[in-house]
Amino acid sequence: KAGVTQTPRYLIKTRGQQVTLSCSPISGHRSVSWYQQTPGQGLQFLFEYFSETQRNKGNFPGRFSGRQFSNSRSEMNVSTLELGDSALYLCASSLSSGNEQFFGPGTRLTVL
Amino acid sequence: DAKTTQPTSMDCAEGRAANLPCNHSTISGNEYVYWYRQIHSQGPQYIIHGLKNNETNEMASLIITEDRKSSTLILPHATLRDTAVYYCIVRVWGNYGQNFVFGPGTRLSVLP
Repeated sequence: KAGVTQTPRYLIKTRGQQVTLSCSPISGHRSVSWYQQTPGQGLQFLFEYFSETQRNKGNFPGRFSGRQFSNSRSEMNVSTLELGDSALYLCASSLSSGNEQFFGPGTRLTVL
Repeated sequence: DAKTTQPTSMDCAEGRAANLPCNHSTISGNEYVYWYRQIHSQGPQYIIHGLKNNETNEMASLIITEDRKSSTLILPHATLRDTAVYYCIVRVWGNYGQNFVFGPGTRLSVLP
């Protein structure tokens, strides 16, 4: 069974731009969660989607948003990029909300 | 904030058992303990989880104390490839539900 895939793997943007990251969960998994990882703050929870609905949300500004499609694929969007948004963005899928999560390789975003 | 505390770092000799402790003194009766690890620049990898009984799988064993206030992850025969940051997690209640909150984890170095 294929694992969680994330695209793109690497991305360079400039301040003020917006970016969309994509995540394809493991087949059959209906829950997708997003995390931001930085050296200073570690792994921080962004949000979780289940059956196309946002179920949980972390403490991030409204510039960070996401959605989930009927096939469980998910996208997250960051608008008006700031230098501090440079991070590894990780997606994790699980069968259902609250089950063990399986992580993708991440998208490394650099904001210049 | 994470509900767990772990040592910042540990060393282990190759071929020996690695015992990684975790304190979760405020854990509730129905909350599971999860362990993940993250090898440099990769997404976290699920290892094991448990509620009150000891658990074992092909990767590791999880020993949970009777009062459930602490646990130990055991890698029975550590190899160099087990060098990673190990996270012990108890889900916490966020704005909309339970989130996985990652602390700083334990950096395990397996030495030849």
